[in-house]
This record gives sequence, structure tokens and C-alpha cells, in this order.
Amino acid sequence: ETGVTQSPTHLIKTRGQQVTLRCSSQSGHNTVSWYQQALGQGPQFIFQYYREEENGRGNFPPRFSGLQFPNYSSELNVNALELDDSALYLCASWEGTRTDTQYFGPGTRLTVL
Amino acid sequence: AQTVTQSQPEMSVQEAETVTLSCTYDTSENNYYLFWYKQPPSRQMILVIRQEAYKQQNATENRFSVNFQKAAKSFSLKISDSQLGDTAMYFCASFSGSARQLTFGSGTQLTVLP
Repeated sequence: ETGVTQSPTHLIKTRGQQVTLRCSSQSGHNTVSWYQQALGQGPQFIFQYYREEENGRGNFPPRFSGLQFPNYSSELNVNALELDDSALYLCASWEGTRTDTQYFGPGTRLTVL
Repeated sequence: AQTVTQSQPEMSVQEAETVTLSCTYDTSENNYYLFWYKQPPSRQMILVIRQEAYKQQNATENRFSVNFQKAAKSFSLKISDSQLGDTAMYFCASFSGSARQLTFGSGTQLTVLP
């Protein structure tokens, strides 16, 4: 157990809808990174937040957005869902200034119909 | 930009035997770290082992060890005395010290056979 939690565990949406995924970070961690893992592939970096500011982004369109709150928990929002957005979404928390090791939550399985 | 390549999509090993998973990476940085994570069917990504690139000594964690060849940009994982619970997808990953981002390979599905 890493102490990182994600909700919901899984959900089903239809194309064009919007979705919000949540991540609670491990105590003492000030950075949250989000990843998209398509079936049979490795995780792809979406973006990360350090002390409530986005400080890195992968090759994802602006309809993927996020927030980090003062308690360092985080949200991932995806607008105008597409079929290809179906994936496992992982968040990882870590102490972004002093360490390099990330601890992952159990993931949210998103299915877009 | 960093890239990580895992050329073995699937591997199998008999229980109690030893298996080695391969990984190569590419980076222009001097400050980076390498990781192996395992992802069992439960989907939870679990840290297996970490290697600091500036250290020549290979990292070990109980039955898990790495062979880090910096000049060749190779980072293989050796699992000794394989156990059924080792069955999982294994991901090699590289952390950029400048961008502070983690890049994953495509994974190797390891099956331990009884």
C-alpha cells in the first residue's frame, strides 16, 4: 500500500461528455503526476502539479486539464471525451523537490462508449 | 527527451528459476534515475528497484537486482528464485533530473509457471 488513493475505481461515459478523476496524495508529498495507460501499453505522462501549479505537461491536448488543492490532492478533468480516451488513469504522488521516486495509486479505469 | 525501450513483450520462467528482463534507454542528461516497476493484475504500480545513474554499483533488493551498463544505456532486471507472485507486467522507467518527469517503456509481461 502506497497511501495514494484514487476515485472512482472505474466509470463509464459516453463520447462528448466530461469526466473528473480524483487523487489523494501520500502524506508529505507535494507533487502529483498523472498518467494515461492504454490497454497493453506503458503509462504516458499527461501532466504534473507541484504546490498547486502545473509544472510539466506531456503531449496531451488542452481538453485534459487538472487542479491541485492546498492539501496536495489533485483532480484530472477531461472534456469532450473521445473513444480513444478509454484507458487506465494513474496518479502518482512524490516529494518533487528532494526525491525522484513516485508512488502510484490503484488507478481509475475509464471506458468511453 | 528520454526514450525507454523494452524489446521483450512476454517472458515466462519456471518457479524457483532466474529470469532477466531487458531494457535500453536514451537520454542526453547526466542527472537521471532508472526504475523498474511491476504491475500485477490488480493494476497497482509497485516500485521494484531504483538505480541512481551516477552510481556504478548495481542496485539490489532481496531477490531483485539490476545490471546497469551506463555506456551501453542498458538497464536489465534479474529476478532470482522466481515466485508465482512475481507474475506481472514489468515496466522500465527513466526519470529526468532536469524535467523532473518519468518516462516508461512498453512493458514485459512475465509469467511464472508452477
